[in-house]
Amino acid sequence: AQSVAQPEDQVNVAEGNPLTVKCTYSVSGNPYLFWYVQYPNRGLQFLLKYITGDNLVKGSYGFEAEFNKSQTSFHLKKPSALVSDSALYFCAVRDERGSTLGRLYFGRGTQLTVWP
Amino acid sequence: EAQVTQNPRYLITVTGKKLTVTCSQNMNHEYMSWYRQDPGLGLRQIYYSMNVEVTDKGDVPEGYKVSRKEKRNFPLILESPSPNQTSLYFCASSADNGVGVTQYFGPGTRLLVL
Repeated sequence: AQSVAQPEDQVNVAEGNPLTVKCTYSVSGNPYLFWYVQYPNRGLQFLLKYITGDNLVKGSYGFEAEFNKSQTSFHLKKPSALVSDSALYFCAVRDERGSTLGRLYFGRGTQLTVWP
Repeated sequence: EAQVTQNPRYLITVTGKKLTVTCSQNMNHEYMSWYRQDPGLGLRQIYYSMNVEVTDKGDVPEGYKVSRKEKRNFPLILESPSPNQTSLYFCASSADNGVGVTQYFGPGTRLLVL
């Protein structure tokens, strides 16, 4: 079955330090991976996606993610965290199987808190 | 402005009282879906629709109905709400089912069933 795991419920980091939010996946077929961010009282906003090509994907707000096929991981990273990055982050994998084509399967979410 | 809208944003109701949460998108998207978000469980898909008059069940369809009579609208219907349907609901849409197509989410509807 298609699934993603976010092993950390919470990540805390000081402003200016690098941050990493972890995601591992399990898919049958090619992995199509996404990161979304949810700010308080808001819907989910798309950050970036991996479909094919370079393993390092760059997205919105200075975020990037590294696809690692051997470790089945797609960790979200940012070189220098901002207090405004504090939010709930979701990793998702897209289903490419016939009857469920296009469905997204989400991880449980990781709450990122950046301290000033 | 391209967007997905949901109404109402907040709703308190009682067990058994039928309700409808509306979802509308102005991007001419074919694919629409409903998710519920619960603490520690992430987002789980309730129903989705590939196009007008084409709908199918997601992971947690029990207790919900949907319809897709027009391309832009995808209402979520709770015929007889129960307290375990208290949750945060999101509608999403995307252009189609192509590889790598991004889904766009509405602002969410917070539902409390007493």
